[in-house]
Amino acid sequence: SAVISQKPSRDICQRGTSLTIQCQVDSQVTMMFWYRQQPGQSLTLIATANQGSEATYESGFVIDKFPISRPNLTFSTLTVSNMSPEDSSIYLCSVDKGNTDTQYFGPGTRLTVL
Amino acid sequence: GQQLNQSPQSMFIQEGEDVSMNCTSSSIFNTWLWYKQDPGEGPVLLIALYKAGELTSNGRLTAQFGITRKDSFLNISASIPSDVGIYFCAGGIQGAQKLVFGQGTRLTINP
Repeated sequence: SAVISQKPSRDICQRGTSLTIQCQVDSQVTMMFWYRQQPGQSLTLIATANQGSEATYESGFVIDKFPISRPNLTFSTLTVSNMSPEDSSIYLCSVDKGNTDTQYFGPGTRLTVL
Repeated sequence: GQQLNQSPQSMFIQEGEDVSMNCTSSSIFNTWLWYKQDPGEGPVLLIALYKAGELTSNGRLTAQFGITRKDSFLNISASIPSDVGIYFCAGGIQGAQKLVFGQGTRLTINP
């Protein structure tokens, strides 16, 4: 498995502002992912964070709204830009250590936008 | 795109009962995973399945990778209060290195 931490664990933000969420892993991993989980819903993949190249975004998610950084093999950030109340969700990062489609998740960041 | 149909959506059982939930799809998956999510936490991996027909146990949990690669089930035997939570299945898309998640099964246990 992997030990994954996220910061912040929760935040309450004002409409129109941006929040950057950090994800730190205890070992080097090739694949890191960012998910959104809206209240009472399942997990939806936002993007795959690739080290040394631009993130790969899923349909319905764009870089301008959710810019991602992946400066090294143990760290990634997701920014939620120009927030609106509809962005209130849990944001989760995950890693696939062995490229086996087996993902381990961080504890999540609970975001509330007023 | 690929979709997973997870059922039931919710279950209300008595402590000590056995539980069964499943996921089906019209698409073939390379991997089947089962996660449990407690309130305020991230999903925790329970069981990972990598081969069609594979049957794997983890304590009181048993899961199987369907022979057609389009379905999987999770059984929990002799449920206890700490089994309460939301269970998600996830399928690994061959060649894509990403997962598709089911809608979740919310398990409630009456003591």
